[in-house]
Amino acid sequence: GAVVSQHPSRVICKSGTSVKIECRSLDFQATTMFWYRQFPKKSLMLMATSNEGSKATYEQGVEKDKFLINHASLTLSTLTVTSAHPEDSSFYICSARDGRADGELFFGEGSRLTVL
Amino acid sequence: KQEVTQIPAALSVPEGENLVLNCSFTDSAIYNLQWFRQDPGKGLTSLLLIQSSQREQTSGRLNASLDKSSGRSTLYIAASQPGDSATYLCAVPTSGSRLTFGEGTQLTVNP
Repeated sequence: GAVVSQHPSRVICKSGTSVKIECRSLDFQATTMFWYRQFPKKSLMLMATSNEGSKATYEQGVEKDKFLINHASLTLSTLTVTSAHPEDSSFYICSARDGRADGELFFGEGSRLTVL
Repeated sequence: KQEVTQIPAALSVPEGENLVLNCSFTDSAIYNLQWFRQDPGKGLTSLLLIQSSQREQTSGRLNASLDKSSGRSTLYIAASQPGDSATYLCAVPTSGSRLTFGEGTQLTVNP
């Protein structure tokens, strides 16, 4: 199947700093990528839909100024957690669709963010 | 609003047993359903994708069925192995190609 790569897999930062997480589709082009957040023992919560060449679409309740999303190319989307606080500590996962809108969705390995 | 429910939340079985995981969804107007596997601290691995026109899909020891009219899907795992231990998630698309996930079934296969 298609491969989606996330980097870094783990990051620890101090409160108030910003952290960037990258999501790459390695063997296909993804015009749309999705960013999810997962709390311990919970399912995934969609944060935003990242569209190549345009602004991201954020889900209700997600602060767009805190979670900056950039989708500058067909193979790369980035999520920047700005002025991170301990409550932002979480597991962040990106996904991308291979081809058709009704095609299979592939996920990255996730990024564990810990804010001290 | 689409809601996805998975039963049971957790399941522990001895190695070699056949098992069924259940997924139900409230809005049957879906065009596909996808089953994923998640290992602790890892991302999601796509297992099976069933299009709305299909009734089932098979991959190795896994078989997924879909009954749109009743809003149900099952994931059948044959001859379970300890390596099958993971959390299994089902998901259906909602508006704008987003996915709505169930809470998952945490499976433990004991040697």
